[in-house]
Amino acid sequence: KAGVTQTPRYLIKTRGQQVTLSCSPISGHRSVSWYQQTPGQGLQFLFEYFSETQRNKGNFPGRFSGRQFSNSRSEMNVSTLELGDSALYLCASSSGLAGGPREQYFGPGTRLTVT
Amino acid sequence: DAKTTQPNSMESNEEEPVHLPCNHSTISGTDYIHWYRQLPSQGPEYVIHGLTSNVNNRMASLAIAEDRKSSTLILHRATLRDAAVYYCILRASPSYITQGGSEKLVFGKGMKLTVNP
Repeated sequence: KAGVTQTPRYLIKTRGQQVTLSCSPISGHRSVSWYQQTPGQGLQFLFEYFSETQRNKGNFPGRFSGRQFSNSRSEMNVSTLELGDSALYLCASSSGLAGGPREQYFGPGTRLTVT
Repeated sequence: DAKTTQPNSMESNEEEPVHLPCNHSTISGTDYIHWYRQLPSQGPEYVIHGLTSNVNNRMASLAIAEDRKSSTLILHRATLRDAAVYYCILRASPSYITQGGSEKLVFGKGMKLTVNP
């Protein structure tokens, strides 16, 4: 079974620009969660999508948004980038269903640098 | 979200057992205890989870105190590949239990495990 894939793996953007990151979950998984990892704040939950609907949301400004497609692939978008948005963005997939497997599978992440 | 407390770091020697402690004194009756680890330059990976009883899998064992206020992840024979940051996480209403429950994981600072050859 192929793992969680994230594209691109590395990205450099300028302040004020916007960026879109992509995540392809494991086949059959319907839940995709996004996390931001920085040295100062650690791993923080951004949001979770299940069957194209946002099921949970972390404490991030509205500049951070996401969506999920019918094939469970997900994208997250950050508008008006700030220097503090430089981070590793991780995507995790799981079945999301009651009675399903317990673990979440993480992708390798997208390293975003804002200059 | 209930909080967990772990040491900042631990060291162990290769091929020796290592016990990684976690305190969660405010755990509620329905919180599940999960462990994830993050190897350098990788995303986190699931290690093990439990509710009340001790659990074993191919990677590790999880020992849960009778009052559930603490737990210990046990690596029976540490290898160099086990060097990672280990996260002890409490999950309330996980989706695999509750229809419509959330997959959200609340990560703390974690504990860095160094394995000496």
